[in-house]
Amino acid sequence: LAKTTQPISMDSYEGQEVNITCSHNNIATNDYITWYQQFPSQGPRFIIQGYKTKVTNEVASLFIPADRKSSTLSLPRVSLSDTAVYYCLVGPNTGGFKTIFGAGTRLFVKA
Amino acid sequence: GAVVSQHPSRVICKSGTSVKIECRSLDFQATTMFWYRQFPKQSLMLMATSNEGSKATYEQGVEKDKFLINHASLTLSTLTVTSAHPEDSSFYICSASGEQANSPLHFGNGTRLTVT
Repeated sequence: LAKTTQPISMDSYEGQEVNITCSHNNIATNDYITWYQQFPSQGPRFIIQGYKTKVTNEVASLFIPADRKSSTLSLPRVSLSDTAVYYCLVGPNTGGFKTIFGAGTRLFVKA
Repeated sequence: GAVVSQHPSRVICKSGTSVKIECRSLDFQATTMFWYRQFPKQSLMLMATSNEGSKATYEQGVEKDKFLINHASLTLSTLTVTSAHPEDSSFYICSASGEQANSPLHFGNGTRLTVT
């Protein structure tokens, strides 16, 4: 399983764009990159998944360089409700492959 | 989207008693379910992987006789904390994976267990 490294915490202000970068130097060819969001006392919630280049959905964008050794989650115009822990996970994600969580990034959004 | 229901959301029990937590996939068949525990301000720690119809695979350091896992159907897995002690107090979370390739995990909302 590829190990991931993220900043422990980040601060931002409402309305700003937030970019959280995750390093995964040992990513395997069949690994995907998935980001989850977790609020206190709740289970993690899927945000976005990608394999290469760029993926965008209604809540975030995911940028993956050609070497795939890192990825950046981009949250446009954050609000106070985006204060949460964000986890970057790397793995095959093919039904049944266990997922190991790293420490995650605590994002604090201030007014 | 896919929904995983976890019950109960909160439970308080006395030392020495057992507690069962249920995890259900409501609109898809979960071939694999995972159980995690999470202490305050910490990340999720994988406890075990359960596949329908077979014995669970426990992570190193997790006592299989204390944390009994049953995955009797493609939509239900249960975790039973036996002879609970205060140090078992934690936030327990399940997740489920479907059969589709590259499908993300879907998580339950967790169970807050307090052992008094």
